[in-house]
Amino acid sequence: LAKTTQPISMDSYEGQEVNITCSHNNIATNDYITWYQQFPSQGPRFIIQGYKTKVTNEVASLFIPADRKSSTLSLPRVSLSDTAVYYCLVGDYKLSFGAGTTVTVRA
Amino acid sequence: DTAVSQTPKYLVTQMGNDKSIKCEQNLGHDTMYWYKQDSKKFLKIMFSYNNKELIINETVPNRFSPKSPDKAHLNLHINSLELGDSAVYFCASSHSPGTGDGYTFGSGTRLTVV
Repeated sequence: LAKTTQPISMDSYEGQEVNITCSHNNIATNDYITWYQQFPSQGPRFIIQGYKTKVTNEVASLFIPADRKSSTLSLPRVSLSDTAVYYCLVGDYKLSFGAGTTVTVRA
Repeated sequence: DTAVSQTPKYLVTQMGNDKSIKCEQNLGHDTMYWYKQDSKKFLKIMFSYNNKELIINETVPNRFSPKSPDKAHLNLHINSLELGDSAVYFCASSHSPGTGDGYTFGSGTRLTVV
């Protein structure tokens, strides 16, 4: 299972773009990269998944460089409601989540 | 309709008691999971069932026993509860035990052992 490293916390203000980078140096060839969001008192929610280059959906974008040893989740124009913990996951179905990145959005 | 529902939402009990947490999913998924989240937000997988068959059994005390009567249900029974069992327990489901799609989580059961 590829280990991931991401910042413990990030602060931002409403309307800004938030970029969270996750390192996964020992990612395997067939591993996907998946990001989840967790609000207080709720279970994690799937945000986005990618294998290489760029993936975009209505919530976020995921940038993956050619070597796939890192990935960046981009949240455009955040609002207060984007305050949550964001988890980066790589690998097989034994998906145990690390501590994630706590993103705090301020007015 | 709630996709993954677990009951109860809160559970306060004394040490030594036996308790169960129930989970049901109406997504038609084949795979279900139990996770434990500690106070530091680490979410660790405990068990996984695929089509009622146990496929993941992490290092969990024998006091924890999952039961899957059918594909849509995965219950967790805990015997002789200890203080260290206090945590939030999440049930989740997915189409398959792979990386092809995301997991859908329930809203969690906060277990407090006193």
